[in-house]
Amino acid sequence: RKEVEQDPGPFNVPEGATVAFNCTYSNSASQSFFWYRQDCRKEPKLLMSVYSSGNEDGRFTAQLNRASQYISLLIRDSKLSDSATYLCVVVNQAGTALIFGKGTTLSVSS
Amino acid sequence: DTEVTQTPKHLVMGMTNKKSLKCEQHMGHRAMYWYKQKAKKPPELMFVYSYEKLSINESVPSRFSPECPNSSLLNLHLHALQPEDSALYLCASSQAGTGREQYFGPGTRLTVT
Repeated sequence: RKEVEQDPGPFNVPEGATVAFNCTYSNSASQSFFWYRQDCRKEPKLLMSVYSSGNEDGRFTAQLNRASQYISLLIRDSKLSDSATYLCVVVNQAGTALIFGKGTTLSVSS
Repeated sequence: DTEVTQTPKHLVMGMTNKKSLKCEQHMGHRAMYWYKQKAKKPPELMFVYSYEKLSINESVPSRFSPECPNSSLLNLHLHALQPEDSALYLCASSQAGTGREQYFGPGTRLTVT
């Protein structure tokens, strides 16, 4: 099993749609989790941290299920500007490095 | 608006050249990182510096040589690279300690001819 697995997509949705991305991780000892966003030919940018209690930032909601080793990202009311690759990121057991999933590509169209 | 800067933005070098990539952060972070990213792949960790000391080397070939002159600067010295080393090289920084979010610079796009 790969350390971090994501559905690569692409997800093609119209503006205003709600879309959900899922991610699973293999190391049950992992303690920190993030979603990053990466635009084409740009650097990854931190979108949000993922907390056990779940957290929301505007149209974005992240959830963590430790028992199932599963992370999700929900985007409501999709905008054209949300088109990007979304990277699920887990911190390694030593806490020293980020392990990236391969990313899920989202394309929002008008 | 990134607070991690990298120079140059683009670099083309021959296999016999020596060049350096530079990274600077002004966030007071004490951990800095080098990643390599190939097209359509996620970033892969190369090196980690914590408090200016190399703490992780992910079995990177010796033709890549990192250097951390001070807490704000990180260099990557390149020598005798191969065409397969062509990639986007990303620098990141974070607060020291475990599990901290990392902030990336815009990267240097390297082409080895």
